[in-house]
Amino acid sequence: AQKVTQAQTEISVVEKEDVTLDCVYETRDTTYYLFWYKQPPSGELVFLIRRNSFDEQNEISGRYSWNFQKSTSSFNFTITASQVVDSAVYFCALSDFSEGNNRLAFGKGNQVVVIP
Amino acid sequence: DGGITQSPKYLFRKEGQNVTLSCEQNLNHDAMYWYRQDPGQGLRLIYYSQIVNDFQKGDIAEGYSVSREKKESFPLTVTSAQKNPTAFYLCASASRQGGYGYTFGSGTRLTVV
Repeated sequence: AQKVTQAQTEISVVEKEDVTLDCVYETRDTTYYLFWYKQPPSGELVFLIRRNSFDEQNEISGRYSWNFQKSTSSFNFTITASQVVDSAVYFCALSDFSEGNNRLAFGKGNQVVVIP
Repeated sequence: DGGITQSPKYLFRKEGQNVTLSCEQNLNHDAMYWYRQDPGQGLRLIYYSQIVNDFQKGDIAEGYSVSREKKESFPLTVTSAQKNPTAFYLCASASRQGGYGYTFGSGTRLTVV
């Protein structure tokens, strides 16, 4: 079964500090997709990034960056120079295509609190 | 604009009553999903449907039921058999090809009073 582990439950940082969220996954699939979603206080999940298993290039989008390392089954997310608007719950997710399905398995999430 | 609409945003239910949560999408997605979110538990899959008139149980289907009579709609009924229904419920949809991520609704917060 697919499994996603986000070890840190709540992380507090002072504004302008960097914060890194760890995501470790388990899968038997050779082709899979990894995702990060942001959940602000309003509740809706906002898509941040998708990465397929064959693309190990790191990605940067503004203050966000992602480090995908297949060798350690990790897909970590860094927010650089954090801002109060970054306060949210962040979820890492892994696709599950077993038995012809299209499902996502989520980690338990990281609550990020940015202190002004 | 395309998207997913969940209604109502807040719902209160008396113990022993069934209640139905609405989820409608106009993205022409084949697959739809219901997740439950509890504090510290992440998102857990209740039911999902990949085509009309077909659906599968997720990880925590007991006490819930669904239907998929139209591509656009995937309502979730929380029955009286669900022992702890107070939670935040999220609906999502995705293309059947998979790998393209999900689009989520804004959620329904259900409270049993």
